[in-house]
Amino acid sequence: NFMLTQPHSVSESPGKTVTISCTGSSGSIASNYVQWYQQRPGSAPTTVVYEDNQRPSGVPDRFSGSIDTSSNSASLTISGLKTEDEADYYCQSYDSSNLWVFGGGTKLTVL
Amino acid sequence: EVQLLESGGGLVQPGGSLRLSCAASGFTFSSFAMSWVRQAPGKGLEWVSAMGGSGRTTYYADSVKGRFTISRDNSKNTLYLQMNSLRAEDTAVYYCAKFRGKLWSDYYFDYWGPGTLVTVSS
Repeated sequence: NFMLTQPHSVSESPGKTVTISCTGSSGSIASNYVQWYQQRPGSAPTTVVYEDNQRPSGVPDRFSGSIDTSSNSASLTISGLKTEDEADYYCQSYDSSNLWVFGGGTKLTVL
Repeated sequence: EVQLLESGGGLVQPGGSLRLSCAASGFTFSSFAMSWVRQAPGKGLEWVSAMGGSGRTTYYADSVKGRFTISRDNSKNTLYLQMNSLRAEDTAVYYCAKFRGKLWSDYYFDYWGPGTLVTVSS
């Protein structure tokens, strides 16, 4: 089964930059788009990056997505961290067998 | 403004049934594929089921295949999820989500409802 693996948690200080990785278990991560969703406690997810590196309107340019084929991983980078960025972040992609697959989620703490 | 609002969640006994609804507004409902995604308490997101805009195409996760049925009524701008033979492991918040993209393999979830909680317990 195709899986996306994320670190369980990351933490960083306000104003700094953090990167969250998402590693594909098989095949090429570049074969299908990767999306990133932010989920604040008690709320539904919202999209912060789609199609690898596109931002929906209203999402600040502090959020950026990228793909690294050498490590078969996608990354979400958040610069100029704010306390409001504290949330769970999920990567998501598509697999022909399992269809829409989510990573296990990463809890971002801004301290 | 796109709005999605789920309803129909609640407490149900193992082996029981429940039907979830998702009322959509703010976009041309029949033009977009829709999906259900769930989240067990304290756990991550799990895709459950998807349906094309016309209702002709459906997909299910292996974990619910044969027990859950997705449907839609485009005249009422409403998506449904009929859940039968419910198990304790189906306990989760169920989110309705709108798809965006050109091909099924490109589709991603661009809008989500607030979710409805389903608890399967005796």
